[in-house]
Amino acid sequence: GAVVSQHPSRVICKSGTSVKIECRSLDFQATTMFWYRQFPKQSLMLMATSNEGSKATYEQGVEKDKFLINHASLTLSTLTVTSAHPEDSSFYICSAVGLKNTGELFFGEGSRLTVL
Amino acid sequence: TQLLEQSPQFLSIQEGENLTVYCNSSSVFSSLQWYRQEPGEGPVLLVTVVTGGEVKKLKRLTFQFGDARKDSSLHITAAQPGDTGLYLCAESTGNQFYFGTGTSLTVIP
Repeated sequence: GAVVSQHPSRVICKSGTSVKIECRSLDFQATTMFWYRQFPKQSLMLMATSNEGSKATYEQGVEKDKFLINHASLTLSTLTVTSAHPEDSSFYICSAVGLKNTGELFFGEGSRLTVL
Repeated sequence: TQLLEQSPQFLSIQEGENLTVYCNSSSVFSSLQWYRQEPGEGPVLLVTVVTGGEVKKLKRLTFQFGDARKDSSLHITAAQPGDTGLYLCAESTGNQFYFGTGTSLTVIP
């Protein structure tokens, strides 16, 4: 199956700093990537949908200036949490669909962000 | 945003017991997927159902898609500790994917 890789898997940062999380499709071209946020034992909350070469579409209530998403190529999307605060601590997961959308989402391994 | 309600939200059972998880929507699904997620990892696709009334089996897991394509169920027979995890239904329409509220399952040895 298709492989999506996220990096870093864990990151700890100080309050006020910015953190970048990368999501790469390793063996396919991803026209669309999704970023989710997840709290313990809860479902995935869609934050934004990013299409290669265009601005991301953010879900209601998600601050686009706080969570910067860039999808510069068909294999890479990045999520930057700017001026992070402890309430931004969470598990962030990306997923992707390929050029031939088969209806299946391919997920990254997730990134655990802890803001001190 | 589609609203997919799953029930129960939490479930703790003994090894060997059977269980059913439900996924309901007020809208018609174009297709529905079930995922299982283990702590600290991304979700893994279990099955995709497309046709109303469809039943799919995956070893001890039986997935059913409602005739009206607005609900689905996941039944696990003789649960094992390895079945522990977060079960998520998800609906895809075109390039949009939305997840259910999730069911956290714990199987006690």
